[in-house]
Amino acid sequence: NAGVTQTPKFQVLKTGQSMTLQCAQDMNHEYMSWYRQDPGMGLRLIHYSVGAGITDQGEVPNGYNVSRSTTEDFPLRLLSAAPSQTSVYFCASRGNGGRASGELFFGEGSRLTVL
Amino acid sequence: KQEVTQIPAALSVPEGENLVLNCSFTDSAIYNLQWFRQDPGKGLTSLLLIQSSQREQTSGRLNASLDKSSGRSTLYIAASQPGDSATYLCAVRFIAGSARQLTFGSGTQLTVLP
Repeated sequence: NAGVTQTPKFQVLKTGQSMTLQCAQDMNHEYMSWYRQDPGMGLRLIHYSVGAGITDQGEVPNGYNVSRSTTEDFPLRLLSAAPSQTSVYFCASRGNGGRASGELFFGEGSRLTVL
Repeated sequence: KQEVTQIPAALSVPEGENLVLNCSFTDSAIYNLQWFRQDPGKGLTSLLLIQSSQREQTSGRLNASLDKSSGRSTLYIAASQPGDSATYLCAVRFIAGSARQLTFGSGTQLTVLP
C-alpha cells in the first residue's frame, strides 16, 4: 500500500538554486495539496489541486509553482530557493471526488535546507 | 480569521492513565474535523475524521467528540501506552474561505512514561 509517496526525503540547496519536490499517489484521489511545516507556525497550505489541469494557491504560495498534468502526480517547484524556504514539506491527498468530506492522507515529508 | 487552538502544548502522563486532548475552533460552520498523529521526523497519520453531522468517532482506544456549537473537540485516549507518545494535531475544514483547506492547530506533544 504505497499511498502518498514523496521524493526526495532530504535535500540541501544553495540560495538561488531550483529544484522539484515530487509527490505521487496511487489512490485515484482528485484532491492533492502541498503543506509546509515550520516550528511555531504549524502546517500551512502552499498550493492545492482539485483535479488534473486545475491548481490554486493556498495560504503561502509565493516562491513556489505547481502543475497537475495527471491525477497521480503533483510536483512542487522552487524556482530560486531562499533560506526562508527551509522547511519540511508535506504532500497530501483526499478522495471523494474532491468534496470537502473526505479524509486527508499525508506523505512522509521532504526536509529541505537552503543555505 | 478562522483559528484552531490546542491546549496544552505538551502533556506528560504515566502509563495506563486515561487522558483527554483538547481542540477549539473559532467558527462553528465546518465540514469536518480530523485528528492526526505525528511521530518525530515522520508524516501525519490520520486517526479519526468526524463529519459536521456527527458527535463522535471511535477507533480502538481512541474516541473523538465534536461539539460544533461550543467550537470544541476532544480526543480521548484510554489506557495510555508509551507507544502513544507523539504529537497530536487537530485540523478543521471550515466552510467559509476560498480554499476550504484544513486549518491546523499547533498540536499537543504527548509523552507517556513507562
